[in-house]
Amino acid sequence: NAGVTQTPKFRILKIGQSMTLQCTQDMNHNYMYWYRQDPGMGLKLIYYSVGAGITDKGEVPNGYNVSRSTTEDFPLRLELAAPSQTSVYFCASSHGAGPYEQYFGPGTRLTVT
Amino acid sequence: GQQVMQIPQYQHVQEGEDFTTYCNSSTTLSNIQWYKQRPGGHPVFLIQLVKSGEVKKQKRLTFQFGEAKKNSSLHITATQTTDVGTYFCAGAGGNTPLVFGKGTRLSVIA
Repeated sequence: NAGVTQTPKFRILKIGQSMTLQCTQDMNHNYMYWYRQDPGMGLKLIYYSVGAGITDKGEVPNGYNVSRSTTEDFPLRLELAAPSQTSVYFCASSHGAGPYEQYFGPGTRLTVT
Repeated sequence: GQQVMQIPQYQHVQEGEDFTTYCNSSTTLSNIQWYKQRPGGHPVFLIQLVKSGEVKKQKRLTFQFGEAKKNSSLHITATQTTDVGTYFCAGAGGNTPLVFGKGTRLSVIA
């Protein structure tokens, strides 16, 4: 099993550009999550999904969009990138909510200049 | 909304010293999880505590869940350089997504 994979590993965007961060998991997990981690800070939940076709906002959803058309994939879309979106983005998955451990991908380091 | 606070934010120790990080929730938790993130890496699950007053050990690491299920601690005995990283607690109030604390960054001086 590859677990949770994310692409790209690094990306530099100019202000106003758009991009999609890809996330795929091969563990047949129902739940998937997107977090951002600013330097020296904790993890903030952007969006999560409890299954294909179902998504919900987390703590910091503004400026992002998600979709979940399959169990495996959970892409994160950034529209009109802003410097405040410079961060490391982690995708994670779990079998369920609450008492289930989350498996994290290696992260995407995004810089917006 | 639910908040999970973690202290200290940073801890520098000499190799061989003990280390403790504390986690407090604004609400009663159904479970608490601990993760470790090595520098430049991603969070990796360490353990989950579910029962009031629960204590679990993993080699030199001891995890406790408070009686009221609102606080937790992670204690490392005789730290080693391999313990370097950021330790996060994360709590859930039920069937809701985990809320992560801001983490404690541990530096170990050889």
